[in-house]
Amino acid sequence: AQTVTQSQPEMSVQEAETVTLSCTYDTSESDYYLFWYKQPPSRQMILVIRQEAYKQQNATENRFSVNFQKAAKSFSLKISDSQLGDAAMYFCAYRSTSGSARQLTFGSGTQLTVLP
Amino acid sequence: GAVVSQHPSWVICKSGTSVKIECRSLDFQATTMFWYRQFPKQSLMLMATSNEGSKATYEQGVEKDKFLINHASLTLSTLTVTSAHPEDSSFYICSARGLLAGHGEQYFGPGTRLTVT
Repeated sequence: AQTVTQSQPEMSVQEAETVTLSCTYDTSESDYYLFWYKQPPSRQMILVIRQEAYKQQNATENRFSVNFQKAAKSFSLKISDSQLGDAAMYFCAYRSTSGSARQLTFGSGTQLTVLP
Repeated sequence: GAVVSQHPSWVICKSGTSVKIECRSLDFQATTMFWYRQFPKQSLMLMATSNEGSKATYEQGVEKDKFLINHASLTLSTLTVTSAHPEDSSFYICSARGLLAGHGEQYFGPGTRLTVT
């Protein structure tokens, strides 16, 4: 079974600065997806960024980028020019590409605080 | 983007009663729907997975007779908490995935806060 580990329960960053959230995972599969989801106080889950394991290039979405290290099974999220609206719980998630259900496996989350 | 709605957004019920939560995919056909439970400051815990027209597959430790899931159409799934007790109070989130929803993306509903008194 796959596991996802987020070792930072809480992080804080100054507004306009950069912060990196860590995520490691364990799998025996070679092809899979990795995601970062954001859950603001409204508790609506929002997809931040997605990475396909077969792609070597790191995914980027505006101020959000990932550092995907497949051999190390590491998938960190970098938020540049942090904004107050970035404050949220961030979940790293893994999804297999095989099997009928292909459900998401979530990490325990990192609560990000943005300081004005 | 794909939209998933949940109704109600919050509900208070008395202990021993049943409550139904609806999850709808508004602009795509959801071949698979997922139900999660989330306690404060914790991660999402998958309760069950349902495919349209089939019985739901429950995760270990989830009582299928207590949490009844129905996925009768490609746009609607329901979760019924039967004989609710205070320990069932939680935040319930549904998620839907369709063949045409991006890379088989899962889209999340806004959640339902259940309080059992």
